[in-house]
Amino acid sequence: DSGVTQTPKHLITATGQRVTLRCSPRSGDLSVYWYQQSLDQGLQFLIQYYNGEERAKGNILERFSAQQFPDLHSELNLSSLELGDSALYFCASSASGSPFNEQFFGPGTRLTVL
Amino acid sequence: SQKIEQNSEALNIQEGKTATLTCNYTNYSPAYLQWYRQDPGRGPVFLLLIRENEKEKRKERLKVTFDTTLKQSLFHITASQPADSATYLCALFPLEYGNKLVFGAGTILRVKS
Repeated sequence: DSGVTQTPKHLITATGQRVTLRCSPRSGDLSVYWYQQSLDQGLQFLIQYYNGEERAKGNILERFSAQQFPDLHSELNLSSLELGDSALYFCASSASGSPFNEQFFGPGTRLTVL
Repeated sequence: SQKIEQNSEALNIQEGKTATLTCNYTNYSPAYLQWYRQDPGRGPVFLLLIRENEKEKRKERLKVTFDTTLKQSLFHITASQPADSATYLCALFPLEYGNKLVFGAGTILRVKS
């Protein structure tokens, strides 16, 4: 158990809908990272937050947005969902803002868009 | 184009042998490289980080090498066990990307008893 929690574990929804994925980092970790893992694209970095502020941005679509709250939990919002958004979404956390530090991954949320 | 290549075919080895996994990259200039283990349906687990000025790093039965001239990292598991069966991911921190982590597709390792 990495200490990172993600909810929900599974999510099934329809095209055009909007969903919110939630992540709680390990106690004391200030950075939260979001990743998408699909069969054709592999594991891709989406975005990093550090202590409430956006720190780095990867291949995140404009339909997706994220935020980190004062209690350090983070949410990833996915809107206007398409079939291709079906994937595993992982959250990871690390102690500092540097991505070189060990990142601890959560169990993931499996999103299925029908 | 930039890419990270890991053995696309699964690596099948006998228990007790040394498993060697390869990570090749092109058109990246990584300052750091990491290896992760991922079990089916679970999140990746960090194993080792190696810096560009380090040739080799060890942790228990694991050894990683990093050759920036060859643009290659090798990941070795000695005295492999069936419990080592998993997908192993190579990940780079390319300087061109502001040090965001870029992952390879992974290699499936199967250790048979």
